[in-house]
Amino acid sequence: GAVVSQHPSWVICKSGTSVKIECRSLDFQATTMFWYRQFPKQSLMLMATSNEGSKATYEQGVEKDKFLINHASLTLSTLTVTSAHPEDSSFYICSAREVGDSYNQPQHFGDGTRLSIL
Amino acid sequence: KNQVEQSPQSLIILEGKNCTLQCNYTVSPFSNLRWYKQDTGRGPVSLTIMTFSENTKSNGRYTATLDADTKQSSLHITASQLSDSASYICVVSVPYSGGGADGLTFGKGTHLIIQP
Repeated sequence: GAVVSQHPSWVICKSGTSVKIECRSLDFQATTMFWYRQFPKQSLMLMATSNEGSKATYEQGVEKDKFLINHASLTLSTLTVTSAHPEDSSFYICSAREVGDSYNQPQHFGDGTRLSIL
Repeated sequence: KNQVEQSPQSLIILEGKNCTLQCNYTVSPFSNLRWYKQDTGRGPVSLTIMTFSENTKSNGRYTATLDADTKQSSLHITASQLSDSASYICVVSVPYSGGGADGLTFGKGTHLIIQP
């Protein structure tokens, strides 16, 4: 149980393109979803926290107009990288906390999306 | 500044051998410490989670220890298998402060390679 699916798993596109990444909780409902970015051999860095039905909370230094987050339902959150540039190339991972789980329960992570901007 | 330092950065051992990975943290206040396994190109998978009052927790061949006084944790892997090759990430969290954010600080991970 507690499967989080990300789509696409890999995307390559030209500079200036906008890219949408989906994060779905397949067998549970998630009030809160998290978006991370991970560069090679680096830690996961939290970009934003997404609560269903409300605006996302962005971490310091993350441009909200660059990384658009929508969490319209309890099973789906999307991250759109607008006008992507090569420096946006990274591994983007989402995670979700199941409705009813206490704070001490681990988040369930998706398998990530590798974004390469040419 | 809250930090999580892991050592070694990388480790190569033979299949069947045991190994121990270290995690030191400066996160304060402290709520819980988690160990995740991340296969290459995949998302992290939770192995253990320990609160302040727990000293040890096992999950199969994985045993995590926590010393909250010295702010150190270790992950011991027994009888390693080829499938254990992955990055192991230590994650420390602060007490929940509302707003949905989990206040997690991630280590850079230890890259473990199991050789046949």
